[in-house]
Amino acid sequence: DAGVIQSPRHEVTEMGQEVTLRCKPISGHNSLFWYRQTMMRGLELLIYFNNNVPIDDSGMPEDRFSAKMPNASFSTLKIQPSEPRDSAVYFCASSFRQVGTDTQYFGPGTRLTVL
Amino acid sequence: SQQGEEDPQALSIQEGENATMNCSYKTSINNLQWYRQNSGRGLVHLILIRSNEREKHSGRLRVTLDTSKKSSSLLITASRAADTASYFCATSLFPMNRDDKIIFGKGTRLHILP
Repeated sequence: DAGVIQSPRHEVTEMGQEVTLRCKPISGHNSLFWYRQTMMRGLELLIYFNNNVPIDDSGMPEDRFSAKMPNASFSTLKIQPSEPRDSAVYFCASSFRQVGTDTQYFGPGTRLTVL
Repeated sequence: SQQGEEDPQALSIQEGENATMNCSYKTSINNLQWYRQNSGRGLVHLILIRSNEREKHSGRLRVTLDTSKKSSSLLITASRAADTASYFCATSLFPMNRDDKIIFGKGTRLHILP
């Protein structure tokens, strides 16, 4: 298996532009997570899905952020409009959740720079 | 509030020495995991210990769990340069239902000196 795939790996954009990050989870996994990591705030959970349904989006910073999972093999995280404070590394992770265990497999991340 | 907190925040040791990192948490857990993150990479799962276990081994890794003290430790024996990374603990709360999320600490940055 190729693992969790994220694209793009790097994104540089100007303030006000729309940014779309993409994730393909590991085949057969039923949960998907979006995280943001910065030096100041560490690793933050933004939103996660179980069986393509958003379960908890309390970590989404504000309405500029939105996430979708139209099917079991694809998810997007969109920022519109982007701001310099959104600069961070965004990770997607997937897992096969069952009660009692939840080992997550992380993608390589997308490094976002908003100028 | 932060569920898991690693200690120390940073650790530098000589290659070949043992490295010990600790994680404390606040509420009852179902299980606790340790992850490693190399610079510029995603987190990689290392080991999971359940609340009814006290110790677990995986290669050069040894994890202990003390639920009475709400703490866990990760020991890396005979450290190598390749062990240089950040290490995170992550907890699953008890009771755990299907929709619960795991919560990551802020990590310990480990640097192995040649």
